[in-house]
Amino acid sequence: AQKITQTQPGMFVQEKEAVTLDCTYDTSDQSYGLFWYKQPSSGEMIFLIYQGSYDEQNATEGRYSLNFQKARKSANLVISASQLGDSAMYFCAMREGANFGNEKLTFGTGTRLTIIP
Amino acid sequence: GAVVSQHPSRVICKSGTSVKIECRSLDFQATTMFWYRQFPKQSLMLMATSNEGSKATYEQGVEKDKFLINHASLTLSTLTVTSAHPEDSSFYICSARGVSSGGWSKTQYFGPGTRLLVL
Repeated sequence: AQKITQTQPGMFVQEKEAVTLDCTYDTSDQSYGLFWYKQPSSGEMIFLIYQGSYDEQNATEGRYSLNFQKARKSANLVISASQLGDSAMYFCAMREGANFGNEKLTFGTGTRLTIIP
Repeated sequence: GAVVSQHPSRVICKSGTSVKIECRSLDFQATTMFWYRQFPKQSLMLMATSNEGSKATYEQGVEKDKFLINHASLTLSTLTVTSAHPEDSSFYICSARGVSSGGWSKTQYFGPGTRLLVL
């Protein structure tokens, strides 16, 4: 089974609208972390937001928020008031196990988001 | 956030030659570095994990003799693609994690990537 599933290969959203990018995960660990990264056409991976499995509050970073539903094993990214610069590839990723420093990340297949003026 | 650099950003080489890619953490000590490759329109695939001063741990299916990784210091890791062939053409990205006054960084910090084209 896929550990990280992103079911939306591409999305088109009107500028200034909110957008939700879906991510579901599969793990048997109690301690894990969930990440969202943005990859523009230049290729760099930009860290957006992090949610720990024991965090009770949904993570927020500016226009980004993570809708964490632990029982459903979903960690959707919500971008409010989308901007043209938000057009990029978005990857959901998971770290299994506690945060001891050398744990690897597993990435989803990504969602290409295009913001329409 | 922490800064990770990669050099070169782009390289074209002839088949059979070796190519070295450097990954540096500029403002923190990177105890652990990761190397990924990404084919066009695909996700990142982890190749190996390296801890400073020890041998890298390679993912299943990655040839350790072809992709040599050296993590000799807390700020530098290198990936050498030996005897490169056209099928090795890809986007190679490194990332690093380290410890600061706030403890372990939650995320891996990524370099800007290196586009390798083998002719």
